[in-house]
Amino acid sequence: RKEVEQDPGPFNVPEGATVAFNCTYSNSASQSFFWYRQDCRKEPKLLMSVYSSGNEDGRFTAQLNRASQYISLLIRDSKLSDSATYLCVVWGSSASKIIFGSGTRLSIRP
Amino acid sequence: EAGVAQSPRYKIIEKRQSVAFWCNPISGHATLYWYQQILGQGPKLLIQFQNNGVVDDSQLPKDRFSAERLKGVDSTLKIQPAKLEDSAVYLCASTPQGTGELFFGEGSRLTVL
Repeated sequence: RKEVEQDPGPFNVPEGATVAFNCTYSNSASQSFFWYRQDCRKEPKLLMSVYSSGNEDGRFTAQLNRASQYISLLIRDSKLSDSATYLCVVWGSSASKIIFGSGTRLSIRP
Repeated sequence: EAGVAQSPRYKIIEKRQSVAFWCNPISGHATLYWYQQILGQGPKLLIQFQNNGVVDDSQLPKDRFSAERLKGVDSTLKIQPAKLEDSAVYLCASTPQGTGELFFGEGSRLTVL
């Protein structure tokens, strides 16, 4: 079993739709969780951190479920510019261990 | 503030040749990472430095890959000899103290023929 698993997609949804991705992790001692966005042929950039209480940033909502060991990302009212690959990132039990998921590709169509 | 600088952006070599990539992290960032990202996959950590010391190199193929950060600032990643499966983007990232947001450079895209 991979340490961090994501549905690779692609998710192809119309503009304005709501879309959600999950990411599961295997190490219950993992400390910190993030979502990064990676545009085609570009470097990953931090989208948002994921807090235990859940957090929202505009149209984006991230949640953590420690009991089931997954994090989620919800995008509301999707825009064409949201088309990208979304990478789940888990910091392990030691701060030095950072693991990336393989990414979920999202394509928003007009 | 200047971001993470990497060079070269693109490199094409034949198998069994050698290649070196350079990274200059954000000023003041103590922790530097080298990642390998193969097309369609997430970044895989190759090596992590804290200042000029190695924190984690467990996934670095040490028979062909080497990396150094001699003065605790910029870093070089070398591959010798290259194999076809080394074709990937090599991403350098830095953080102030090994926690929080990773800041990535634009990457060095390697094609091995």
